[in-house]
Amino acid sequence: DVKVTQSSRYLVKRTGEKVFLECVQDMDHENMFWYRQDPGLGLRLIYFSYDVKMKEKGDIPEGYSVSREKKERFSLILESASTNQTSMYLCASSLLDEQYFGPGTRLTVT
Amino acid sequence: GENVEQHPSTLSVQEGDSAVIKCTYSDSASNYFPWYKQELGKGPQLIIDIRSNVGEKKDQRIAVTLNKTAKHFSLHITETQPEDSAVYFCAATYKAAGNKLTFGGGTRVLVKP
Repeated sequence: DVKVTQSSRYLVKRTGEKVFLECVQDMDHENMFWYRQDPGLGLRLIYFSYDVKMKEKGDIPEGYSVSREKKERFSLILESASTNQTSMYLCASSLLDEQYFGPGTRLTVT
Repeated sequence: GENVEQHPSTLSVQEGDSAVIKCTYSDSASNYFPWYKQELGKGPQLIIDIRSNVGEKKDQRIAVTLNKTAKHFSLHITETQPEDSAVYFCAATYKAAGNKLTFGGGTRVLVKP
């Protein structure tokens, strides 16, 4: 089975802190994605990557950056966390059409 | 870009009854429409999908229908069971978007025993 793991299930950070969310997949998938999930808004794509060192902006990239130095790892970075970035963050990977999701990180910014 | 609307946002059904969730999409180029189920504390998981060259697809108690002309697609769950309680998301994409999915807002389904 494909496994996508995220570094933390719950995270509490202060406004202005730099935050790193890590995602690792074990199936050699080329595509990786970062979403945020908010009630009523579904999943919104922040950034995605088709290959190592490659990244593309999604629908809501403002305030975020990403890093993909190795094929299995895709990191989401909040350069200066703000309260409006309090959300559930989901990572996913895919080879073809089906995306496999991690369990999510619930981030609270106070 | 693509926009996907999903209704209803919540759905409560009696065990054994059917549940229907509807989605509309805006981009006529979209050709792949998956449905994901998210159980409490877990990430979404693909349960069924349909491509634009097919009008209907079934897998046991779940089915998806697609109306390309009207740009809408629906998820049908028959003989609902308590384990069907979850949040369901529809999504749409087209190949040129490189598997970049646009999701609907989600439907919270509660199956009452």
